[in-house]
Amino acid sequence: DGGITQSPKYLFRKEGQNVTLSCEQNLNHDAMYWYRQDPGQGLRLIYYSQIVNDFQKGDIAEGYSVSREKKESFPLTVTSAQKNPTAFYLCASSMFRNTEAFFGQGTRLTVV
Amino acid sequence: AQSVSQHNHHVILSEAASLELGCNYSYGGTVNLFWYVQYPGQHLQLLLKYFSGDPLVKGIKGFEAEFIKSKFSFNLRKPSVQWSDTAEYFCALGADGLTFGKGTHLIIQP
Repeated sequence: DGGITQSPKYLFRKEGQNVTLSCEQNLNHDAMYWYRQDPGQGLRLIYYSQIVNDFQKGDIAEGYSVSREKKESFPLTVTSAQKNPTAFYLCASSMFRNTEAFFGQGTRLTVV
Repeated sequence: AQSVSQHNHHVILSEAASLELGCNYSYGGTVNLFWYVQYPGQHLQLLLKYFSGDPLVKGIKGFEAEFIKSKFSFNLRKPSVQWSDTAEYFCALGADGLTFGKGTHLIIQP
């Protein structure tokens, strides 16, 4: 069954702790993305990667980090430097950078 | 820098009404354009896309969109909406990465 898998669906963390969100795809896509979705803000790009071992900052990269060691995996770390980390995080992939993106189910992160 | 602007944040229509959601983009070069839909509790899915060719594109569930290059627009239309079209709709631009608008929350009243 092909697609994007994000885990976990819900995540709770204490303030000051780093947390890593998982994203795996088996679509053999080159490009992968992380977005943050907040009510009334749409989807804002955090990071994207066009190929393995390469990634670019998006519009709101501060307080986040990523890695792309394997084509199918693009984990996102929300660091303690992120001032407002509670949000819904969406991972996506596409064949190439500007083509149709497929989305995962999302991870809702709550920092208390 | 590229950007996408969606004009209406909330739209309420009655069933069978016609729908048009506005989308304008800012980018000086060649673009790919998309409309995505997010039904309550579900993940984002593609409604339709424009890469090149015929500027009027048809998507799933009776939706269509028209690319007007001179107006930098890609408006979404549906002649007759149904209650099941209640969802959030996002316009997206593929140019230097994939940029989304802020979304339009559409409510269809029975």
